Amino acid sequence: DTAVSQTPKYLVTQMGNDKSIKCEQNLGHDTMYWYKQDSKKFLKIMFSYNNKELIINETVPNRFSPKSPDKAHLNLHINSLELGDSAVYFCASSRHSWDSEAGYTFGSGTRLTVV
Amino acid sequence: KQEVTQIPAALSVPEGENLVLNCSFTDSAIYNLQWFRQDPGKGLTSLLLIQSSQREQTSGRLNASLDKSSGRSTLYIAASQPGDSATYLCAPYNAGNMLTFGGGTRLMVKP
Repeated sequence: DTAVSQTPKYLVTQMGNDKSIKCEQNLGHDTMYWYKQDSKKFLKIMFSYNNKELIINETVPNRFSPKSPDKAHLNLHINSLELGDSAVYFCASSRHSWDSEAGYTFGSGTRLTVV
Repeated sequence: KQEVTQIPAALSVPEGENLVLNCSFTDSAIYNLQWFRQDPGKGLTSLLLIQSSQREQTSGRLNASLDKSSGRSTLYIAASQPGDSATYLCAPYNAGNMLTFGGGTRLMVKP
């Protein structure tokens, strides 16, 4: 049973489209995250949610809108896709937002290509 | 703002060598530090998590050390194998349980 699962694994779409990436965790964690890995392979945090509440938004353009219907799900919706949005997007979860003792668990990533 | 540097950026060694991967961070007010492995086109696999109160953590052939005051962590890989070929990422935890990643060390172990 996959602990943190993302869908789809690959996404190719045209500029200007709107797309969503879904993430689900079955670990019972309170906190979920989205990270972006760009073409230079640097991983940077985008958002973090704790029990459905947004707690970190790292100056991400407002074309990106995360939605957390419950604490086991954190979806990422992207409007008006641009070429620069092409990257690998990773979802992750942790036990709590204030507790790093157990560390993060990452999903396998979604490779988004905007053409 | 935390910045993380990993040296070397790439490393190619023959099988059987012992390796040291270095990680330095600018803000020593970290909670814990986690080392990950990333295979090409894949997600991140956690290798070791070092608590801020610990100085080292071991798992099999891997040993990670942490010196918070000097802003350094090292990952030691003993008797390297071709299956160890991957990118190794270091990430300290700061406030808000936020991870800051280094650029990684790309390791190739040749048979």
